[in-house]
Amino acid sequence: AQSVTQPDIHITVSEGASLELRCNYSYGATPYLFWYVQSPGQGLQLLLKYFSGDTLVQGIKGFEAEFKRSQSSFNLRKPSVHWSDAAEYFCAVGAGSGGSNYKLTFGKGTLLTVNP
Amino acid sequence: SQTIHQWPATLVQPVGSPLSLECTVEGTSNPNLYWYRQAAGRGLQLLFYSVGIGQISSEVPQNLSASRPQDRQFILSSKKLLLSDSGFYLCAWISDPSEAFFGQGTRLTVV
Repeated sequence: AQSVTQPDIHITVSEGASLELRCNYSYGATPYLFWYVQSPGQGLQLLLKYFSGDTLVQGIKGFEAEFKRSQSSFNLRKPSVHWSDAAEYFCAVGAGSGGSNYKLTFGKGTLLTVNP
Repeated sequence: SQTIHQWPATLVQPVGSPLSLECTVEGTSNPNLYWYRQAAGRGLQLLFYSVGIGQISSEVPQNLSASRPQDRQFILSSKKLLLSDSGFYLCAWISDPSEAFFGQGTRLTVV
């Protein structure tokens, strides 16, 4: 079974600073990898996803993530954080061959606070 | 187009009362449907998933149940709510491994 670890429960950065949110996964093969963002009281919005190919993936809102197979990681980055980026971020792993055994497993999330 | 509807958006229920949350999808047939719960500090936990009418798989033992009475309808229920059932409930439709659609969620508060 797959699992996802987001080691940082809460991160605080200053506006304009760079950001990296960590995500490690456990799965026997290369899974589908996702980053979602959830603003307070809102549903989930997909930031980016990785299935294969170029290991550096560009997403919306200026975010990018890099898949590193050797480290089983898929860290999310942004070079300059804006106050509107304050939200909770979830890394997710999709695995299985579809049909009855495909599952999307989420990490516990990282809450991002942005200081002015 | 493909859409997923989930209601109600918020719900306040007393302990011991029943629960019924509904999720419906449009624009597809035979979808894989999922119920997730987000409790404080727990992230998004998969509760149930269904690959077809009447087919329910439970991921964690709990006070809740799920049903799939129609192809595009997925219902989350409880006969008697507990305080610990409070949380944010999300329905998801995963059309293939590369695509997941989420409802807007239901904020349930058990008092």
